[in-house]
Amino acid sequence: GENVEQHPSTLSVQEGDSAVIKCTYSDSASNYFPWYKQELGKRPQLIIDIRSNVGEKKDQRIAVTLNKTAKHFSLHITETQPEDSAVYFCAASKGAGSYQLTFGKGTKLSVIP
Amino acid sequence: DAGVIQSPRHEVTEMGQEVTLRCKPISGHNSLFWYRQTMMRGLELLIYFNNNVPIDDSGMPEDRFSAKMPNASFSTLKIQPSEPRDSAVYFCASSLAAHGYTFGSGTRLTVV
Repeated sequence: GENVEQHPSTLSVQEGDSAVIKCTYSDSASNYFPWYKQELGKRPQLIIDIRSNVGEKKDQRIAVTLNKTAKHFSLHITETQPEDSAVYFCAASKGAGSYQLTFGKGTKLSVIP
Repeated sequence: DAGVIQSPRHEVTEMGQEVTLRCKPISGHNSLFWYRQTMMRGLELLIYFNNNVPIDDSGMPEDRFSAKMPNASFSTLKIQPSEPRDSAVYFCASSLAAHGYTFGSGTRLTVV
């Protein structure tokens, strides 16, 4: 089955700096890669996703890149703010919606004011 | 839409008791997933349904766990008998093909 590795497990950045979280996946059939943000005691919430026919996607301060050949994808957060502090999860699936998501172990991001 | 609704939000039970977790997916979503979250193992898929049919239950830890989806608007996850190692947050999520997955607020289960 699919295996998703996520690094780093913890990340501290100064407010205003950029943060990068990286993931690799094992199953070349995977074609949908969402990122979730989970605040303490709350549900995971989708923040951005990318499909395998696209190499990069941006939404304001958040961007995701995908390298299908190397089987890795990354989350980039620019101009970080204290409210970005949370645990971020990457995931992979063989298709959006109808297939299971396999999650990475998560990255705890701390933005220091 | 009210989103994915799970109940109860918190459950404390004694070892050996039966526990039933409930989930109401978003109306119109045709896939439903049960995940378990722990610090050690992260988010693990237990089972998922497409159009009310179980597709993959390989993540169900053992025979003590069972899940049903009798109709498109309701699913249950049952643990019988419960054990302390079952303590975790259990999330239900629903989705519609080609769209993202939406998680419920979760049920925090504590087995003492």
